[in-house]
Amino acid sequence: SAVISQKPSRDICQRGTSLTIQCQVDSQVTMMFWYRQQPGQSLTLIATANQGSEATYESGFVIDKFPISRPNLTFSTLTVSNMSPEDSSIYLCSVGTSVNYEQYFGPGTRLTVT
Amino acid sequence: EDKVVQSPLSLVVHEGDTVTLNCSYEVTNFRSLLWYKQEKKAPTFLFMLTSSGIEKKSGRLSSILDKKELSSILNITATQTGDSAIYLCAGPLGSSNTGKLIFGQGTTLQVKP
Repeated sequence: SAVISQKPSRDICQRGTSLTIQCQVDSQVTMMFWYRQQPGQSLTLIATANQGSEATYESGFVIDKFPISRPNLTFSTLTVSNMSPEDSSIYLCSVGTSVNYEQYFGPGTRLTVT
Repeated sequence: EDKVVQSPLSLVVHEGDTVTLNCSYEVTNFRSLLWYKQEKKAPTFLFMLTSSGIEKKSGRLSSILDKKELSSILNITATQTGDSAIYLCAGPLGSSNTGKLIFGQGTTLQVKP
């Protein structure tokens, strides 16, 4: 399976600011995804990061709040914009396939908004 | 609407006990069902199940899929404190082959010494 890294691993941010999370994969992958895990909750899919085009967002998530870039097949970023305390979560990137849906996750970014 | 439901939501056992975790799913485009273990931040992959009745095993962990009942179980025998974690079940999200997953709520397992 691919080796996935995320930066930063954690951050504490002020309300109203933005944070960009980076996800780097050690090999080219077709599919990359971004998830959010709020405290005590399960994983919720934010969007599919599409290489060279706009991300595909799930219901309840919008590009203005969570802009995503994917300039190539090994790298993606997720920005959490205009943060509020409700954005305090673990943010995870993953890589997967559409054949059998097997996915592997990066180490995650723990975000706390004060 | 695609749905994955896990039970129980939490479980406390003692070392050496055997546990069974349940996952039921209703998805429009079944391809596979996956189990993950989450100890800190990142879920780690345990099993992927695609065929009914075939057991997947890894050490003390095993899992089996029942496509007729739209369910799966994860068994852990001779539990150890290191098995304490959240166990997540996931299935395909959506009607087309997008690779997206929908996760259940998770089962929080605590193994006491």
